[in-house]
Amino acid sequence: SQTIHQWPATLVQPVGSPLSLECTVEGTSNPNLYWYRQAAGRGLQLLFYSVGIGQISSEVPQNLSASRPQDRQFILSSKKLLLSDSGFYLCAWTAQETQYFGPGTRLLVL
Amino acid sequence: TQLLEQSPQFLSIQEGENLTVYCNSSSVFSSLQWYRQEPGEGPVLLVTVVTGGEVKKLKRLTFQFGDARKDSSLHITAAQPGDTGLYLCAGGVRRGGNKLTFGTGTQLKVEL
Repeated sequence: SQTIHQWPATLVQPVGSPLSLECTVEGTSNPNLYWYRQAAGRGLQLLFYSVGIGQISSEVPQNLSASRPQDRQFILSSKKLLLSDSGFYLCAWTAQETQYFGPGTRLLVL
Repeated sequence: TQLLEQSPQFLSIQEGENLTVYCNSSSVFSSLQWYRQEPGEGPVLLVTVVTGGEVKKLKRLTFQFGDARKDSSLHITAAQPGDTGLYLCAGGVRRGGNKLTFGTGTQLKVEL
């Protein structure tokens, strides 16, 4: 069966510091991968998606970037965090049109 | 830009009551999915509907996809405290990386 992992689970970072969030998928090959950000109690905003290694599509202009160095690894990064980067970050993979989500990373930028 | 509006945004009801959550858009989707999310966790898929007019039942939950595939509804019968959570609809398109457009969310609280 397929499993999706995210780490860290929680992160507190100062403004201006770098960021690296990691997502890995097990049990499938060549998945479409997605990064979302979610404000408390609200819907999900798609940040990036990837259909293959090295292929990244950005949905919204922002302070973040994404990379896919391996087939089942998706990384969300920032060189300098802003206060507005705080939120709940979710990684997901697709089986046909259904998306399966990881447990999320809670990021607090102070 | 495709938008999915959910209503109501918040819903607080007593155990045993019925409720309906609506998900509306001006865009056509190839599929419509409903997720439930607990605090601090990722959303979990409840159902996927792909045919206009399709109705699916999952125990006390009934999901319907609009005939024009632009809207959907989720009806819960005899709500229980375990139904508490954030309900999200999401519209899918087959092209462009199988992206989903998520709705604005409905926070449901069922009290004893």
